Amino acid sequence: EPEVTQTPSHQVTQMGQEVILRCVPISNHLYFYWYRQILGQKVEFLVSFYNNEISEKSEIFDDQFSVERPDGSNFTLKIRSTKLEDSAMYFCASIPGQGAKMETQYFGPGTRLLVL
Amino acid sequence: GEDVEQSLFLSVREGDSSVINCTYTDSSSTYLYWYKQEPGAGLQLLTYIFSNMDMKQDQRLTVLLNKKDKHLSLRIADTQTGDSAIYFCAEWGARDTDKLIFGTGTRLQVFP
Repeated sequence: EPEVTQTPSHQVTQMGQEVILRCVPISNHLYFYWYRQILGQKVEFLVSFYNNEISEKSEIFDDQFSVERPDGSNFTLKIRSTKLEDSAMYFCASIPGQGAKMETQYFGPGTRLLVL
Repeated sequence: GEDVEQSLFLSVREGDSSVINCTYTDSSSTYLYWYKQEPGAGLQLLTYIFSNMDMKQDQRLTVLLNKKDKHLSLRIADTQTGDSAIYFCAEWGARDTDKLIFGTGTRLQVFP
């Protein structure tokens, strides 16, 4: 069964450094998402992406964050200058979105980011 | 508001039924979901229900939706130790947004 993959599984970085989290959504999916989960808290929406542009973003997704689909396969989340409070598990998700939107978001296994 | 609330903990004996409850605030939600998260792992979709349904059964799982009260529940029959995890409910499609809004999560502990 096709699945969403994410790399790396874990990343440790110094405060102020840039990080890029990578996701490979399911190949025929059209809508892509990033969510994050701070340790012990609920999963929060960051951004959705469709047709090569951001379709919706949360207040968490400030100017330090950006997303890109550079090659039709990968979907990346960049944090330009990481802060301690960016430490979290970051989940990528995708849905088919063909015709009427499909109802199921398929989640990747997550990247655990630790900012020191 | 966008609050989706769940009780924090539930502890059950192996073999008993578990019922995890969730309340949501937006009656325009199209789909409601249950996800399972094991320690250090990702989100596993367990089941979902369309907002015009009252009930959905899938093997050991039964989802009940009371749209009037904005209440969703997940019943796990014959709960096993492998069911120990955090369970998140989530709503989708509220106010024409395409994001999932997750609940606070319920930690289910199953003891022998």
